[in-house]
Amino acid sequence: DTAVSQTPKYLVTQMGNDKSIKCEQNLGHDTMYWYKQDSKKFLKIMFSYNNKELIINETVPNRFSPKSPDKAHLNLHINSLELGDSAVYFCASSRDSNSQETQYFGPGTRLLVL
Amino acid sequence: GNSVTQMEGPVTLSEEAFLTINCTYTATGYPSLFWYVQYPGEGLQLLLKATKADDKGSNKGFEATYRKETTSFHLEKGSVQVSDSAVYFCALSRRTNAGKSTFGDGTTLTVKP
Repeated sequence: DTAVSQTPKYLVTQMGNDKSIKCEQNLGHDTMYWYKQDSKKFLKIMFSYNNKELIINETVPNRFSPKSPDKAHLNLHINSLELGDSAVYFCASSRDSNSQETQYFGPGTRLLVL
Repeated sequence: GNSVTQMEGPVTLSEEAFLTINCTYTATGYPSLFWYVQYPGEGLQLLLKATKADDKGSNKGFEATYRKETTSFHLEKGSVQVSDSAVYFCALSRRTNAGKSTFGDGTTLTVKP
């Protein structure tokens, strides 16, 4: 069973389009995250939710809007896609937001904006 | 603020060579420290962690010791294999940061047969 799953795995789209990425975890965790990894492998946190409540909201354009319908799901909607949004987006989860907890990452969604 | 500085890569080694990837951090208090590994085409996965000073994390032949006096958490392995080729990330997390982890820039390791 996949612990943290993301769909789609690949996403190729045109500039200006709106797209969504979905994430689900079956670990019973309370906390979920979205990260962006650029072409140099630098990893940057974007958002975090704890029990459906937003707890981390980094400096991210407001074209990016996360949504957590329940604590097992965290989706990411992106409006008006730009070339610079091309990256790999990782979802992750942890048991709670305690600093000692391990984060479990999904396989990533590779977004290419043309 | 918090920061993690990792040894710059890429690192290329021959099989069975000794590996060290340096990691130093800046943070107040007592953060938890982690090493994550990312194999090609995959997400990150925990390699090892340490949650207090002088703790040693170990897994799959890799080790790292939490050194508060030098604010370091260097990753070591005595004999690397081709299958260890991956990107390695050092990270820290503080209790007051609501689960937000600070990641280093990653070090790419290539092991040649």
